Amino acid sequence: EIVMTQSPATLSVSPGERATLSCRASQSVSSNLAWYQQKPGQAPRLLICGASTRATGIPARFSGSGSGTEFTLTISSLQSEDFAVYYCQQYNNWPLTFGGGTKVEIK
Amino acid sequence: QVQLVQSGAEVKKPGASVKVSCKASGYTFISYGITWVRQAPGQGLEWMGWISAYNGDTNYAQKLQGRVTMTTDTSTSTAYMELRSLTSDDTAVYYCARDSSGWYWFDPWGQGTLVTVSS
Repeated sequence: EIVMTQSPATLSVSPGERATLSCRASQSVSSNLAWYQQKPGQAPRLLICGASTRATGIPARFSGSGSGTEFTLTISSLQSEDFAVYYCQQYNNWPLTFGGGTKVEIK
Repeated sequence: QVQLVQSGAEVKKPGASVKVSCKASGYTFISYGITWVRQAPGQGLEWMGWISAYNGDTNYAQKLQGRVTMTTDTSTSTAYMELRSLTSDDTAVYYCARDSSGWYWFDPWGQGTLVTVSS
């Protein structure tokens, strides 16, 4: 099973600042990585697939990069609605696996 | 629009079974698969398994093998997840989500179904 490790567990950021979230895979997943955003009481929402392709309707301030085992989600200028938990998920191998999440909170 | 609507909250006793439904609309049901993901209170996302709505092929998480069964009813565009021999560790919100027709990222997601296991 591929283990996905996200860091940091919590990120404190001021509105308007840049946030950089990391996701590491225990073995290569090529570019088969997705990012999701989850707000309290809501279902997850797809942000990024293919490591760097924004899903429909996702603002350009969200960007994904990386391949192999190291991936990054960047939020260029945090808006109030971006404070949430973010999960990465690999879909290169069965079983599919999620990272433990990064909570982005207001500083 | 593409939408997945799940059945309502359930309360079950230890040892019982639960069956959660996920009704799809707004797309051709058999062209996509459905995955099930659960989230225990205050915890992260746990992938449970996936089913092809086209031919019923499944792929389950090893830790749930033997306790979980995923099925679909193409006549009603509904997916089902049944979990047996429930324990308190199965208390969670259960989500269904649609795959991307051959790619296993998921969008959209259902609203979630809270399953509480308590004596």
